[in-house]
Amino acid sequence: EIVLTQSPGTLSLSPGERATLSCRASQSLSSSYLAWYQQKVGQPPRLLIYGASTRATGIPDRFSGSVSETDFTLTISRLETEDFAVYYCQQYGSSPPTFGQGTKVEIK
Amino acid sequence: QVQLVQSGAAVKKPGASVKLSCKASGYTFYNYFMHWVRQAPGQGPEWMGMIDPSGGATSYSQRFQGRVAMTRDTSTSTVYMELSSLASEDTAVYFCARGNLRARLRFDDWGQGALVTVSS
Repeated sequence: EIVLTQSPGTLSLSPGERATLSCRASQSLSSSYLAWYQQKVGQPPRLLIYGASTRATGIPDRFSGSVSETDFTLTISRLETEDFAVYYCQQYGSSPPTFGQGTKVEIK
Repeated sequence: QVQLVQSGAAVKKPGASVKLSCKASGYTFYNYFMHWVRQAPGQGPEWMGMIDPSGGATSYSQRFQGRVAMTRDTSTSTVYMELSSLASEDTAVYFCARGNLRARLRFDDWGQGALVTVSS
């Protein structure tokens, strides 16, 4: 199965700052089948990005995704207070679908 | 709009089984695979398996093979997940999640989750 490794584990930033989250896959993903989810305490994950760089419906444009070979990046251009949460990457190109261990974005 | 409404929390003893439900509405039930994903406290999500509601075919993670069963009731647009031989490590929040129409292993919509606690 494909292993996804996210870094850093925790990101401490202030509102208005830029957040850069990384996700590395153990092997290449077919058709960049990588998604990013946001999860807040007590809630299910919410789909943010799919296909490595396409925003899901209703997701603000301060969220963006990019890819370079097996390295994927989620960028939040200017953090809003509601963006402080845990973020997971997930590959859906092969079964079993797998998730990274998450990056927590916390208020500094 | 798509809604996935799950059954409530459960407390089970080691060795017991739990059966969770997920009632779907707001879309054509037959057309979308339904998945079960669990999340242990402080951990990332983990995929358990999926069911094709149109014919009932299933595919399970090897980690749960032999211990999990997913079924569906087309008359009520509900899917079920039963996990047997529970151990303390099965304490987690269990989510149902609807797969994307074309990218079936991508989870576009989620239920609210159901906490299963396994304790003696």
